[in-house]
Amino acid sequence: DIQLTQSPSFLSASVGDRVTITCRASQGISTYLAWYQQKPGKAPKLLIYAASTLQRGVPSRFSGSGSGTEFTLTISRLQPEDFATYSCQQVHSYPHTFGGGTKMEIK
Amino acid sequence: EVQLVESGGDLVQPGRSLRLSCIGSRFSFGDYAMSWVRQAPGKGLEWVGFIRSKAHGGTTEYAASVKGRFTISRDDSKNIAYLQMNSLKSDDTGVYFCVKMALFGHYLDYWGQGTLVTVSS
Repeated sequence: DIQLTQSPSFLSASVGDRVTITCRASQGISTYLAWYQQKPGKAPKLLIYAASTLQRGVPSRFSGSGSGTEFTLTISRLQPEDFATYSCQQVHSYPHTFGGGTKMEIK
Repeated sequence: EVQLVESGGDLVQPGRSLRLSCIGSRFSFGDYAMSWVRQAPGKGLEWVGFIRSKAHGGTTEYAASVKGRFTISRDDSKNIAYLQMNSLKSDDTGVYFCVKMALFGHYLDYWGQGTLVTVSS
């Protein structure tokens, strides 16, 4: 199985900050990667797919990059509604594993 | 807007069975693969498996942790996806999400609100 390792696991940041979350795959997955945002008690929401394509309706302050084994999610200017948990998922091969998540909190 | 509503979550004893249902609306249900993802309390997301659309054979894929115990099926005439869970273990406890898969690859583009399954004696 492909393992996805996210870093950091926890992130403390302020409104207006630029933050980057990394997702590393245990083997190459081309660009078959998605990023999801989840708020407490809610279902996850697709933010980015194919490593860098923004899902319709997602603000442009979110961006994704990477290919192969290293990927990043960047939020250019944090807004109050962005404080949540972010998870990556690979869809290159079965099982479609998720990373462990990055919980972002307000500093 | 796509809607997915899960039901069937309950408190169940280890070794017993439970069936979850997911009704989809406001999209052409039969055209899409449907997936199940679970989340144990305070933990991350875990992919459970999915069922392809009938046009793609209606076949299924499962995580190793549930293979042989869980079965995903669909009834396109009713716009329902099912997750039949047998031989339940305490590790199966969590919120189960029904998810619509995008036509472009296997990305999970719309999620239900989830239903809680608790396996405990």
